[in-house]
This record gives sequence, structure tokens and C-alpha cells, in this order.
Amino acid sequence: SQELEQSPQSLIVQEGKNLTINCTSSKTLYGLYWYKQKYGEGLIFLMMLQKGGEEKSHEKITAKLDEKKQQSSLHITASQPSHAGIYLCGADTYNNAGNMLTFGGGTRLMVKP
Amino acid sequence: DADVTQTPRNRITKTGKRIMLECSQTKGHDRMYWYRQDPGLGLRLIYYSFDVKDINKGEISDGYSVSRQAQAKFSLSLESAIPNQTALYFCATMGSGANVLTFGAGSRLTVL
Repeated sequence: SQELEQSPQSLIVQEGKNLTINCTSSKTLYGLYWYKQKYGEGLIFLMMLQKGGEEKSHEKITAKLDEKKQQSSLHITASQPSHAGIYLCGADTYNNAGNMLTFGGGTRLMVKP
Repeated sequence: DADVTQTPRNRITKTGKRIMLECSQTKGHDRMYWYRQDPGLGLRLIYYSFDVKDINKGEISDGYSVSRQAQAKFSLSLESAIPNQTALYFCATMGSGANVLTFGAGSRLTVL
């Protein structure tokens, strides 16, 4: 089965600093998804990456899928308290769009004002 | 109203009790999923259903059962709850041909 490992498991940054979260897969990624969970709430979809080398941005968050399609990174520029939460990466477990997702263990982000 | 509604949002129960978590959706999606979240373990799939007559076991189905009463309703049951089933449970939906899961707000279950 596919396994996703996220690093770091937790992160505390000062407001305004940049940060990167990594997601490494044990198998080739056919679809990689980033979700954000605010503490005590559900998950909100951020971005989806499918092609090697693909990069997407939304506001101050940029996600990349490496050329070999086994690792993705999520980069936040000039972090704000509103970025705090748990970030999870998820991957299609089959080469079949979105039927099942396997998730990483999550990265807990705290942003200090 | 939320697209995916879970009830109850919080529940405390005792070992051996039967518990049902309910999920309803207004998205019109065919596919519905139950995940549990434990600290540091991310989300693990319990059961999923691609249609009303379709039920599939996920990664950690032991100790759980599900019922897809209608396209919009998918319930998760713990026949005899045990303390290691204490977790945050999420219901999610996905439309056919789509890639993105829509999650409910979660049901926090504590088994004493």
C-alpha cells in the first residue's frame, strides 16, 4: 500500500516567516492533494497536483510536485496567524482519479504573532 | 447549511455501548467515505461506498460497520465501543469523475 510521510510533524514559526512542509511517498504519485484542517474542524481542500514538476499557488501558499512524482512540498510565504492549523497531504492510491485517498500523518503549524 | 453534516459532533460513551455516527450530504455525490483521525496518524479510511448498493472495507474496518441508507446518507456504527476507538471521525463525499473530497466537520468520540 502507499505510504505518505510528512515532515516536520509540527512547526512553530514567527509571523512573517516563510516555511516549507514536505510530503514523501513510498510509491509514484498519480494525484497529490493538500488539505488544511483548522483545529477542531473539518478539512478544507487547498490544491491538487498531478503532473511531475507541476506547481500551483493560492494566495501565499505554493505547492510543488517533484519531477519524479514521489515528493511534494507546500511553501507558505510571509506566514500569518490565519495559516495555523494541520496540513495534510493525500494521494490517490490507484491510478484512477480520486477514488480513494491515503493521507500522511499531518503537520501541525503554529504561527506566533 | 453545511454540504456534509455529521451528527453528533461530540459523544462520550462507555465501553461496550453501541454507537452510531450519522452523515448526510446535499452535494448529490455518489461516493461517501468514513475516516478516523488520530494524532500523528493522519486520516485512515474505515469504509467507503461508491453507490447505494456498494460498500467496501477500508484500511481499518475491524470493529466498525456502515449502512448506506440513501445516496445522501452514510452511517457508521460501532457495535461494541472500546477505548481505542476514541478518535475524531470524518465523513467525506466525492462526485463521480471528480478528484476532491468534501469533508464534514467531524464527530469527536470518546470511549471511557
